Amino acid sequence: GAVVSQHPSRVICKSGTSVKIECRSLDFQATTMFWYRQFPKKSLMLMATSNEGSKATYEQGVEKDKFLINHASLTLSTLTVTSAHPEDSSFYICSAGTGFRTDTQYFGPGTRLTVL
Amino acid sequence: GEDVEQSLFLSVREGDSSVINCTYTDSSSTYLYWYKQEPGAGLQLLTYIFSNMDMKQDQRLTVLLNKKDKHLSLRIADTQTGDSAIYFCAESLDSSYKLIFGSGTRLLVRP
Repeated sequence: GAVVSQHPSRVICKSGTSVKIECRSLDFQATTMFWYRQFPKKSLMLMATSNEGSKATYEQGVEKDKFLINHASLTLSTLTVTSAHPEDSSFYICSAGTGFRTDTQYFGPGTRLTVL
Repeated sequence: GEDVEQSLFLSVREGDSSVINCTYTDSSSTYLYWYKQEPGAGLQLLTYIFSNMDMKQDQRLTVLLNKKDKHLSLRIADTQTGDSAIYFCAESLDSSYKLIFGSGTRLLVRP
């Protein structure tokens, strides 16, 4: 089946620094990638949708200047958490889709971000 | 508003059936999904049901949908230790990409 990877799987950074998380579709071309955030014992919250070659669409309440998304190619999307603060600590999960039907979304394993 | 709720934990013995329940609030949901998340792995789509269906069966998995009560359940027959994972239900309001997830139910299968 389709495989989506994320890198790094775990990152610890100091407050005020920026962190970049990569999401790659390994064996298919993803026209659309999605970024989710998951708090402990909470559900996944969609942060933004990125389409290759165009600007990302952010969900209400998500700061676009805080969470920069770049979808430079059909196999790579990056999420940069700028000027990270402890409240940004969370589990970030990406998914990649070949279309808009949700049965064609494939999820990455997630990245655990801890901001000290 | 949109809200999907699940119980946090379920423990069953190997060979028994497991039933994971989910309630949702938005009556305009068109698709409802069950995902499985194993440690260190991404969410895996197990099955989904269209809102005009009451039941869907796929091998050991049976999904029941009660639209009147906005209740969705996933039954796993002959539960195995490999079924231990976190199970998420999710809804979408149309056939587009946006998924609204529950908080996940951790299933523990005891030998």
